[in-house]
Amino acid sequence: SQQGEEDPQALSIQEGENATMNCSYKTSINNLQWYRQNSGRGLVHLILIRSNEREKHSGRLRVTLDTSKKSSSLLITASRAADTASYFCATPPPGGTSYGKLTFGQGTILTVHP
Amino acid sequence: NAGVTQTPKFRVLKTGQSMTLLCAQDMNHEYMYWYRQDPGMGLRLIHYSVGEGTTAKGEVPDGYNVSRLKKQNFLLGLESAAPSQTSVYFCASSYQLGQAARRLAKNIQYFGAGTRLSVL
Repeated sequence: SQQGEEDPQALSIQEGENATMNCSYKTSINNLQWYRQNSGRGLVHLILIRSNEREKHSGRLRVTLDTSKKSSSLLITASRAADTASYFCATPPPGGTSYGKLTFGQGTILTVHP
Repeated sequence: NAGVTQTPKFRVLKTGQSMTLLCAQDMNHEYMYWYRQDPGMGLRLIHYSVGEGTTAKGEVPDGYNVSRLKKQNFLLGLESAAPSQTSVYFCASSYQLGQAARRLAKNIQYFGAGTRLSVL
């Protein structure tokens, strides 16, 4: 079963605009990760936020985590055409990081128009 | 440093045929995983391995078998392919975590480029 669910399923914006994607999950977690997948490629890890963190930055990426609402958001600022990709949130299974396993959401397809 | 390499990249099978997908990693990772990705379904875990000689079932293991004879390789087998196994298959690997690292949550996975399989 899916632990994380992304919203929206698809997002289309112009270059230079900000893109915000949301992820909701069902059970308690000790971390949440975001991955990116370019068309026809494998997933690439972007950022990890721990349950005791509320916000984390990496370059143009900003991730927030609200454990009370069981939700996270990924903000990409000043988007570029090269940011066009699918973005997935991923969480460990309930009970902790069992053998490094992760459950992935269905993803948000981001299209950035030049 | 190639990371995670999957072969083949593409394959077309007829129903009932068998094949093996190979995953190789050069990062000395203990943990390895096989996923399938279908439209609207995200990634689903098929099987995983926590070390050489060990395998375990994931979320959707039926119709697949795996082996981890060497630490760097994780093989996914389809004994009798079915059209429902048409999918994109991804292999991933990650570090073994000690208890302290698990608490600090360092379970990042590294993915291969995928194998696109069609079963006719």
